[in-house]
Amino acid sequence: GNSVTQMEGPVTLSEEAFLTINCTYTATGYPSLFWYVQYPGEGLQLLLKATKADDKGSNKGFEATYRKETTSFHLEKGSVQVSDSAVYFCASPGTGGFKTIFGAGTRLFVKA
Amino acid sequence: DTGVSQDPRHKITKRGQNVTFRCDPISEHNRLYWYRQTLGQGPEFLTYFQNEAQLEKSRLLSDRFSAERPKGSFSTLEIQRTEQGDSAMYLCASSALQGYEQYFGPGTRLTVT
Repeated sequence: GNSVTQMEGPVTLSEEAFLTINCTYTATGYPSLFWYVQYPGEGLQLLLKATKADDKGSNKGFEATYRKETTSFHLEKGSVQVSDSAVYFCASPGTGGFKTIFGAGTRLFVKA
Repeated sequence: DTGVSQDPRHKITKRGQNVTFRCDPISEHNRLYWYRQTLGQGPEFLTYFQNEAQLEKSRLLSDRFSAERPKGSFSTLEIQRTEQGDSAMYLCASSALQGYEQYFGPGTRLTVT
């Protein structure tokens, strides 16, 4: 079945640093890909998505490009803020299309 | 639209007791999902409904777990004879028929002592 693998954390950065969180997927075909974010004490929120190869999803300064050649969907942000401290999950629909398969999550700490 | 809500937010119970959680999805969403999340892990799929029909159940969902969505609106997840290994965050999500985007509730944190 479909699966996603993301880099382990935690990732600790200083404010205004560049962020990359790696995510690769294994799937039959080309499923939609998502990044979700979970702030402390809150539920998961959809951060961005891409529905086909070469699509770029973007939101709140975060970007991720769906690259079928490398089966990757890395999350990037040019200048992180303290408020970006959260856990980030890469995700994709499971086989059959309805449930969502999540990576293990990457915790980001941003220091002032 | 107030989003997905879950009740209670926290539940502490003793081993062997039964617990029931409720999820109210976004009103126009036909699909409703339950996930379990343990510390340091991503959410794991448990089951999902389309309207009132339960269409898929994970092998993670033992016989002690049962979920219902009787009128195609809110859903309940019951765990019978709780075990310490059931301690986790139980997340509910909903989605429209079109697309795969899921909207999550805040979760119910279960602690079994």
